[in-house]
Amino acid sequence: SQQGEEDPQALSIQEGENATMNCSYKTSINNLQWYRQNSGRGLVHLILIRSNEREKHSGRLRVTLDTSKKSSSLLITASRAADTASYFCATDVTGRRALTFGSGTRLQVQP
Amino acid sequence: NAGVMQNPRHLVRRRGQEARLRCSPMKGHSHVYWYRQLPEEGLKFMVYLQKENIIDESGMPKERFSAEFPKEGPSILRIQQVVRGDSAAYFCASSPTQYEQYFGPGTRLTVT
Repeated sequence: SQQGEEDPQALSIQEGENATMNCSYKTSINNLQWYRQNSGRGLVHLILIRSNEREKHSGRLRVTLDTSKKSSSLLITASRAADTASYFCATDVTGRRALTFGSGTRLQVQP
Repeated sequence: NAGVMQNPRHLVRRRGQEARLRCSPMKGHSHVYWYRQLPEEGLKFMVYLQKENIIDESGMPKERFSAEFPKEGPSILRIQQVVRGDSAAYFCASSPTQYEQYFGPGTRLTVT
C-alpha cells in the first residue's frame, strides 16, 4: 500500500482563500517533501522538511511535520488561479533512497 | 546548469515493440531514479541507479523491464515487448545527495 496518503483527494477553493492539504505516512522517514504537478507536466519540488523539523516556510507555503502522528500538512496562503495543480507528498524512508509518493490532492483555484 | 532531461517526451509503440527511454541527470548528479505514473495516480518508484550500478530495483517488474546508467551517457529504461498496461508517464529524477530529487519532464509512453 502507499506510504503516503493525501487528504483530501480533491479541493476546490476561491482565489484568495487558503488551501490546506494533509499527508499521512506509515514508517519512519528521513524527510518529507512536497511536489506540485501541473496537468500533464513534470514535478516541481516545493519544499523539504527533515524529520527533526516541525515547521518550515517558503513564500506562501507553510509545511508542518508531526512525526508522532506520522503526518504532514501543506498550507498555501492567499491562493491564486496559477496554484491549480496536483500536490503530492513524498517520503524519504529511513534506509532507502527512493521516494514514496502519495496519490495526490487535486487543487482547483477558481478565479 | 540544465535540469534533468528526458527524451523522447512522447513515445508511441505497438504491442510487442521495444521502448527505450533516456534520462540525462543534472550536471554533477550521480544518482538516478526512475518512477512510473499511471493516470490520476502518484508516482511509483521503479529503480535507483548510480553510475554503472543498480542499487535498488525493487519497484521494477522482473520481466521485460531493465535499466542502466553507464559510465558515459544517459540512463536508459528499456521495456521489451510492450503491452497496453505499460502506457504511463515515466519520470526520471537525479540527486547529488540523499535528499532532494530533481525531476525531469517525463516521457509519456502510449502502447497501441
